Amino acid sequence: EPEVTQTPSHQVTQMGQEVILRCVPISNHLYFYWYRQILGQKVEFLVSFYNNEISEKSEIFDDQFSVERPDGSNFTLKIRSTKLEDSAMYFCASSDGGRAITDTQYFGPGTRLTVL
Amino acid sequence: AQSVTQPDIHITVSEGASLELRCNYSYGATPYLFWYVQSPGQGLQLLLKYFSGDTLVQGIKGFEAEFKRSQSSFNLRKPSVHWSDAAEYFCAVGAGTGTASKLTFGTGTRLQVTL
Repeated sequence: EPEVTQTPSHQVTQMGQEVILRCVPISNHLYFYWYRQILGQKVEFLVSFYNNEISEKSEIFDDQFSVERPDGSNFTLKIRSTKLEDSAMYFCASSDGGRAITDTQYFGPGTRLTVL
Repeated sequence: AQSVTQPDIHITVSEGASLELRCNYSYGATPYLFWYVQSPGQGLQLLLKYFSGDTLVQGIKGFEAEFKRSQSSFNLRKPSVHWSDAAEYFCAVGAGTGTASKLTFGTGTRLQVTL
């Protein structure tokens, strides 16, 4: 069964450093998402991406964040200058886009980001 | 803005017992509702979803959920719990601007199963 994959599984970085989290969505999917879950808190929407542009972003997704689909398979989340409060589990998801709002989003296993 | 409340943070049931996990939502339009399960070290797996039609929805692993508009609820049920059901369960409501959707999650309910 096709699945969303994410690398690395765990990333440790120093405050102020740039990090890139990588995701490979399911191959025929058209919509891509990033969510995050701070330890002990709920999963929060960050951004959705379709047709090579951002569809919607939350207030969390400020200028420090960016997303990119650099090739036909990868979807990345970049944090330019990490802060302690960026420590969280980051989930990538994708959906096939047939009916957009009601589509199932398939989630990857997550990348745990630790900012020291 | 939409929101989801899962009143129970932690539930413990015996294997073979029935299970009901509560979920209440707030959303101005027709809600699209989802239940996801997260096992340790795993991503979020969809159990079931509701967006129209029959208010009793069947999902994978023997789970079902009932949409009750009058109570703004979408509770998850299973008649007989197995030890492998121990995990964290998230209710979510979907909304969007017409193209992509975004999910708003509840805080989750951690299910412990005793043998």
